Amino acid sequence: DTGVSQNPRHKITKRGQNVTFRCDPISEHNRLYWYRQTLGQGPEFLTYFQNEAQLEKSRLLSDRFSAERPKGSFSTLEIQRTEQGDSAMYLCASSTDFGNEQYFGPGTRLTVT
Amino acid sequence: DQQVKQNSPSLSVQEGRISILNCDYTNSMFDYFLWYKKYPAEGPTFLISISSIKDKNEDGRFTVFLNKSAKHLSLHIVPSQPGDSAVYFCAASTFNDYKLSFGAGTTVTVRA
Repeated sequence: DTGVSQNPRHKITKRGQNVTFRCDPISEHNRLYWYRQTLGQGPEFLTYFQNEAQLEKSRLLSDRFSAERPKGSFSTLEIQRTEQGDSAMYLCASSTDFGNEQYFGPGTRLTVT
Repeated sequence: DQQVKQNSPSLSVQEGRISILNCDYTNSMFDYFLWYKKYPAEGPTFLISISSIKDKNEDGRFTVFLNKSAKHLSLHIVPSQPGDSAVYFCAASTFNDYKLSFGAGTTVTVRA
């Protein structure tokens, strides 16, 4: 399977702990995106990478959030000092440089207790 | 602010009949529109798209219609099948932008 993969699929953590998620995009895709989805809503854009460069961050991405894509391949999203409001599905997507179609992974469901 | 709106949270349709899903947008800069389908515990799957230079795009049982003057698009599924039961998201972007703006989704249930 050469689709977008995300790990872990589920994460339960206590408030105040740090968590890190990983995304492996489709291998030939240079663009990588992170979105967050809460219950009853559509995905909301968080941040975007063109190769290893992070080109945009949403206002939703507070200082507690950081994302990296060190070699232009996989990406990590870290949340420090988690809060209950961080509970959501975190989705990763990738695309080519020329297509508007983004291909999503299965997501990481975060529950902060 | 919600720039893409799906005002019908749910739709129930009989197998074999047509499903029509609607989507409205407020940002006149949007010029590319997509529909995604999502099953529980999976990520959204790309279904069909349309650029603003067209008013219709068809792919098998799925057709998307775009009315730019009304800032409205719709997805038609004909005939509806049980496997079409899922949440459908409308999304939009500008041509040179990379982030998608999504609606809240419409849950489609196809009854046997």
